[in-house]
Amino acid sequence: DTEVTQTPKHLVMGMTNKKSLKCEQHMGHRAMYWYKQKAKKPPELMFVYSYEKLSINESVPSRFSPECPNSSLLNLHLHALQPEDSALYLCASSHYPPNVNTGELFFGEGSRLTVL
Amino acid sequence: DQQVKQNSPSLSVQEGRISILNCDYTNSMFDYFLWYKKYPAEGPTFLISISSIKDKNEDGRFTVFLNKSAKHLSLHIVPSQPGDSAVYFCAASGDNTGKLIFGQGTTLQVKP
Repeated sequence: DTEVTQTPKHLVMGMTNKKSLKCEQHMGHRAMYWYKQKAKKPPELMFVYSYEKLSINESVPSRFSPECPNSSLLNLHLHALQPEDSALYLCASSHYPPNVNTGELFFGEGSRLTVL
Repeated sequence: DQQVKQNSPSLSVQEGRISILNCDYTNSMFDYFLWYKKYPAEGPTFLISISSIKDKNEDGRFTVFLNKSAKHLSLHIVPSQPGDSAVYFCAASGDNTGKLIFGQGTTLQVKP
């Protein structure tokens, strides 16, 4: 099983809503990532969790709140978002330490978020 | 300031011919370069990588060339197949955190 599963695939929310994106993997990976990709832009790293602890926060606004409840799950809690936060949110996972250089970084299909 | 750039947003080639996708970078501290392929409604999938100490890496129909002095790499696909039609992202890594810096992507269309 080399899948990273993300739900929901599509999400539309208002600026006052609270919602969550979910990500799950069963490859035994101990590093999990959130990337954000805006239209016609490259994916950009937001957060990295290693062994369920936040190891990298790329200066992401606090309206995005990540959570790693166990080694298989990664959540991204969303609150008071702005329309400019509309994007594709990609989850990824890898072994730790990550050996991304040989391609051992597996991405999910992404959750497409629209903020109205 | 984009550290990894793919200046061609799209490329169209005929089936059986060579596809050449280009990528430039600015940070000389990058030590690995990767190519990812992305189909619509799917996440990016790893294709091939190259270490900064090499100038060529080949895997089947895919070859990546690295020119460190020019800070340039290219992906060659020979022969191109219609199933290769996808968005191709160049990415670079310079540490052991798992962080990848991506280019904007090039959409490749291979016509039958």
